Amino acid sequence: GQSLEQPSEVTAVEGAIVQINCTYQTSGFYGLSWYQQHDGGAPTFLSYNALDGLEETGRFSSFLSRSDSYGYLLLQELQMKDSASYFCAVRDGTYKYIFGTGTRLKVLA
Amino acid sequence: EAGVTQFPSHSVIEKGQTVTLRCDPISGHDNLYWYRRVMGKEIKFLLHFVKESKQDESGMPNNRFLAERTGGTYSTLKVQPAELEDSGVYFCASSQDLRLTYEQYFGPGTRLTVT
Repeated sequence: GQSLEQPSEVTAVEGAIVQINCTYQTSGFYGLSWYQQHDGGAPTFLSYNALDGLEETGRFSSFLSRSDSYGYLLLQELQMKDSASYFCAVRDGTYKYIFGTGTRLKVLA
Repeated sequence: EAGVTQFPSHSVIEKGQTVTLRCDPISGHDNLYWYRRVMGKEIKFLLHFVKESKQDESGMPNNRFLAERTGGTYSTLKVQPAELEDSGVYFCASSQDLRLTYEQYFGPGTRLTVT
């Protein structure tokens, strides 16, 4: 079957750096996306990696290693507003997305 | 530009009843997706429309679920009859041409509770 694994919960303090890992097993791979969802809100797009390496967008960076079927989202200079759930999602060979179970990030003051 | 909208935001129904969820995608987005998240689990793909055609409905759980997208604009997802395990948050997402983009725009979801 197809599956993505990510930690269920991560806790960090304001100003810190946190890394959320994602390992995947899917039939076909076009790319790995990350989405952020605040409680009660819509998931919003953060980043997309189709090729190996690091993509940086402001305080957020995303990394992909296709040979290891692994990626991570790196959040720097954590702020309270970053408290949310973060989902990794693989775009498979049929253009649909397979999502992970989500990582709940708690940022402490 | 208006985002993806969903109606209703919440629905509480009894087992055996029928519920219809509606999604209005971003104007001009040919691709429309339905997903469901059961508490604590993954956001699970249900189906994908390209305009009015069902491109992929491999995630639909059973024949109690019926999705339509008449005219290639808004979409509805009907659950009939509803069962307890159908409870969850139903998300709709839309995107432009998949050959050009990878970003999906999600709606706020409909929280369905079946009692």
